Amino acid sequence: AQSVTQLDSQVPVFEEAPVELRCNYSSSVSVYLFWYVQYPNQGLQLLLKYLSGSTLVKGINGFEAEFNKSQTSFHLRKPSVHISDTAEYFCAVCGVKAAGNKLTFGGGTRVLVKP
Amino acid sequence: NAGVTQTPKFRILKIGQSMTLQCTQDMNHNYMYWYRQDPGMGLKLIYYSVGAGITDKGEVPNGYNVSRSTTEDFPLRLELAAPSQTSVYFCASRSPDRASYEQYFGPGTRLTVT
Repeated sequence: AQSVTQLDSQVPVFEEAPVELRCNYSSSVSVYLFWYVQYPNQGLQLLLKYLSGSTLVKGINGFEAEFNKSQTSFHLRKPSVHISDTAEYFCAVCGVKAAGNKLTFGGGTRVLVKP
Repeated sequence: NAGVTQTPKFRILKIGQSMTLQCTQDMNHNYMYWYRQDPGMGLKLIYYSVGAGITDKGEVPNGYNVSRSTTEDFPLRLELAAPSQTSVYFCASRSPDRASYEQYFGPGTRLTVT
């Protein structure tokens, strides 16, 4: 079984400032890692994923994340945010051999970008 | 492609009523999932299916039932609705492509049980 902890429930940030959203996971098996974004009143969409290879992963809208196996972390970063980045962000993991490739989600981090 | 569609968008139920949440995908995805989203709790998996005729329980299946008679449709049934089932429900689907693992989500159904 896996668990995911997103350390910040809310992150206020000014426009054009950098942002980092923290994600730590626990698992007894190898995992794949994901970040999803949910804009207000919408479903989730994939920002980026780590399956294998380079531990620095680039996603859509200028986001990137770094997989750190020793610290079991997968923090999400963006060097300069826009108002349109206001959303809720979810970190998720999936056991590499999990039946159905089920995702386990963290509790979410709400990002509010201020002008 | 319309992707993953869900109906209805909103619903209010009285305690003890039943209803079916509809989910359809037109991407020919084998894998489909139902989640519920409660404030501050992230998404919890209710049921999932790896293909027509095959379903399995997720983390929070109590009070729900599913069926998967076709690849496209994965309805979620609530019997004897309870206030604890007030939530936002999301359906998702995934390609069997092992290089992808991306789940595609519908827009959600907001359900209130009073």
